[in-house]
Amino acid sequence: QQQVKQSPQSLIVQKGGISIINCAYENTAFDYFPWYQQFPGKGPALLIAIRPDVSEKKEGRFTISFNKSAKQFSLHIMDSQPGDSATYFCAASFAGNEKLTFGTGTRLTIIP
Amino acid sequence: GAGVSQSPSNKVTEKGKDVELRCDPISGHTALYWYRQRLGQGLEFLIYFQGNSAPDKSGLPSDRFSAERTGESVSTLTIQRTQQEDSAVYLCASSTTSGGSYEQYFGPGTRLTVT
Repeated sequence: QQQVKQSPQSLIVQKGGISIINCAYENTAFDYFPWYQQFPGKGPALLIAIRPDVSEKKEGRFTISFNKSAKQFSLHIMDSQPGDSATYFCAASFAGNEKLTFGTGTRLTIIP
Repeated sequence: GAGVSQSPSNKVTEKGKDVELRCDPISGHTALYWYRQRLGQGLEFLIYFQGNSAPDKSGLPSDRFSAERTGESVSTLTIQRTQQEDSAVYLCASSTTSGGSYEQYFGPGTRLTVT
């Protein structure tokens, strides 16, 4: 059972554009929603995370939008740069059982 | 300070052999997780250790997989009688889980190839 669905599988965006990656979850007990960034040959690194008590969180060029009623959340990368080219994973977990359930990943490529 | 380290970085083994993968978490982190990442796919949870509590083994795919952790330090993931479908990157993560922090810090992974 895939509890976190992520789309698109791959994404190509021009430098300076906005990259948008979407995730949907099924388990309403989830209360922590992080996004991880992974470069080839490296482990994932936390990029930004949100709790369901807010609808949006912004850190620099990265924003998470959260829609609790729709059970969806998304990552927006503003002014996308070539250095943002990586694989992005959404994930979810809930208090008391912190294991992360990951989406399948989005390979983002920023072209000049 | 030092991050999560894993060894070996790469392991090639023959089908049917046993392998042991090691994880050194960040010092002071009470929680430790193992995940598996198949080529081009997301991470699958395998097992979770939290302090002295019984580990959450709900993600282990078969009884060929086992893991141990010594106190709040090193963990080893053992795969017995390896199969070709075990080929993947095995990632370890640790976290403090104190102060409401959920952030998991990942190691670079061990790439396992079963021939």
